[in-house]
Amino acid sequence: DTGVSQNPRHKITKRGQNVTFRCDPISEHNRLYWYRQTLGQGPEFLTYFQNEAQLEKSRLLSDRFSAERPKGSFSTLEIQRTEQGDSAMYLCASSPSGRALLGTGELFFGEGSRLTVL
Amino acid sequence: GQNIDQPTEMTATEGAIVQINCTYQTSGFNGLFWYQQHAGEAPTFLSYNVLDGLEEKGRFSSFLSRSKGYSYLLLKELQMKDSASYLCAVSLKLTGGGNKLTFGTGTQLKVEL
Repeated sequence: DTGVSQNPRHKITKRGQNVTFRCDPISEHNRLYWYRQTLGQGPEFLTYFQNEAQLEKSRLLSDRFSAERPKGSFSTLEIQRTEQGDSAMYLCASSPSGRALLGTGELFFGEGSRLTVL
Repeated sequence: GQNIDQPTEMTATEGAIVQINCTYQTSGFNGLFWYQQHAGEAPTFLSYNVLDGLEEKGRFSSFLSRSKGYSYLLLKELQMKDSASYLCAVSLKLTGGGNKLTFGTGTQLKVEL
């Protein structure tokens, strides 16, 4: 399968614990995005990477959230000191650029990592 | 800021046609996307409009009027598998050329026999 891969698919944790999610984008895509989605809502933008550079972060993203993409391939999203309000689906997406950009620049989403904070 | 409105729910009959509307007010605009999302699954791309007019793609068509801040998604010959959430998203260009999508809340479509 050459789609966007996310792990773990489900995570249940206690309030105050740290969690980390991993995203492996489509291999030729150098743009990577993290979104958060709660029940009955559309995905909400969190942050964006072009290769290893984090170029934009949402103002809604608290300092407990940090994302990295150290080698410009996979990315991790860490949430420190989790709160019950962090319970959501965390979606990763990727898109191509340059010569690989043949379509509309649409984002290709993974199936998400569902976080439940007790 | 961004404000995107679409109906919360719609119901339609198998074989019929349904139109899902989306209105938006945004600061900046680099196109409008429609995505389909089945429960518990990833959103999947359906269509993209950046210029006014109709884009047709099989059973799905999407229309855009930039002056009115309005788009619709038209689904023809509805099938039971079309029961899903349909997400309207406005795109802003990001540094480096990426697309920042701001999504509406989604329209939950139920297709009945």
